[in-house]
Parts: sequence; structure tokens; C-alpha cells
Amino acid sequence: GAGVSQSPSNKVTEKGKDVELRCDPISGHTALYWYRQRLGQGLEFLIYFQGNSAPDKSGLPSDRFSAERTGESVSTLTIQRTQQEDSAVYLCASSLSAQGPINYGYTFGSGTRLTVV
Amino acid sequence: AQKVTQAQTEISVVEKEDVTLDCVYETRDTTYYLFWYKQPPSGELVFLIRRNSFDEQNEISGRYSWNFQKSTSSFNFTITASQVVDSAVYFCALSGITGGGNKLTFGTGTQLKVEL
Repeated sequence: GAGVSQSPSNKVTEKGKDVELRCDPISGHTALYWYRQRLGQGLEFLIYFQGNSAPDKSGLPSDRFSAERTGESVSTLTIQRTQQEDSAVYLCASSLSAQGPINYGYTFGSGTRLTVV
Repeated sequence: AQKVTQAQTEISVVEKEDVTLDCVYETRDTTYYLFWYKQPPSGELVFLIRRNSFDEQNEISGRYSWNFQKSTSSFNFTITASQVVDSAVYFCALSGITGGGNKLTFGTGTQLKVEL
């Protein structure tokens, strides 16, 4: 598509439930990133996928968080047993290749606003 | 470790005023990249500028200008003759070459409100 698409745009869930967030990158972009933006905070890096390489999961805050990506297409971020501190906007970005920020820049989606009640 | 500090949480100006958004960074990398992004109410981050650590020339793009000073580890952003459409949250970010240069470290953002 023309841009990075994320769904749902808003999600309200009960504490303890699992949620799945989806990101559709720009066609042809091999690199995909997930960031979390808590209220009043900057973006925190969560995970990075580059082609078929092993993902960089160094930013995932706990083992309740996981993400998958099939090839160079859609990615899903799953949060299990959600907690109130998981409430945030989850932003996805894609880039033409590795070293995206340096060489090509990111294109961000509009994010999924997750509220855990 | 890398760190980006945007000390101004919120700035309010009247249209046509000039406004400068401050950004101070910390990194041990000698090669690094600095960025500014705009986040309008729609939520999508919009790329504004990328600057590498070897290029200290100031840049101007229309009403926007950036002042990069390595001596003070600052990369400030000025909007001249601000307009209501400039109202947004602005993020400064840093990417160091260590670790592959594929992660951005963001500041906490500055909310800019431009009023009539």
C-alpha cells in the first residue's frame, strides 16, 4: 500500500486478556520496527525485523510481549495477559532496508492506541 | 548508552512568532545521526530532517531551520513565522552506528501549540 497501515486504530481490553496488533508495511520494505509510546513519553524501541534474519528483540519489556513477521509482509505484535502499564500507542514503522534510519528513514503508521482497563 | 533530552514539555506561541525547540543528546558513538519528527494529532510521525555527525552545517528548509552544534551536543529546531498548522508534538531522535544504526532513541517530545 501507499503507507504503513496499522489495525486496529484503537483497542480497549480488560486486564489479563491477550491482544494482537497488526502492521502492514509498505510493499518492498524489508525492515519493520515496533515502537511503544506511553502518554507523555518518547518512543521506546521494541523489536526489529529485517528480511529473513533473526529479529532484534532487545526492546521487548517482558516475555508477555512477542512479535512475528512472515517474510517481508505483515507483522503482528502480541501482548499476553495485558496489564494496565501496557496502555500506550504502539507504532509500527518500515524501511527499505537495514540501517533504515540512517539511509532511508522510517515511514511510520498511525499507531494502535491500546487501553487496558 | 544513548540519550536524547527535550527539556521543553510544552510551548505556546501566537501565530507568526518564531519558536525554537531544544534538543540535547548523549552518545559514545563518533558516528551518529540526528533526526526531527513531527507528530500531528493524527498520530503518524512525519520525518523532517536527518543530519549526520560529520555535517555541522546549519540547514534551512522554508520556515524550518536546524542548528547542529557538536560542542554542546545540541540539535535545535527553529520554526520561523509559526502557523496554526505547525501545532504538533515534535520529537528529536538519535541513531548511533553501534548496533547497526537501525534503532532510534527518542526524546520525550515537545508539544507546540500555535494560537491565532
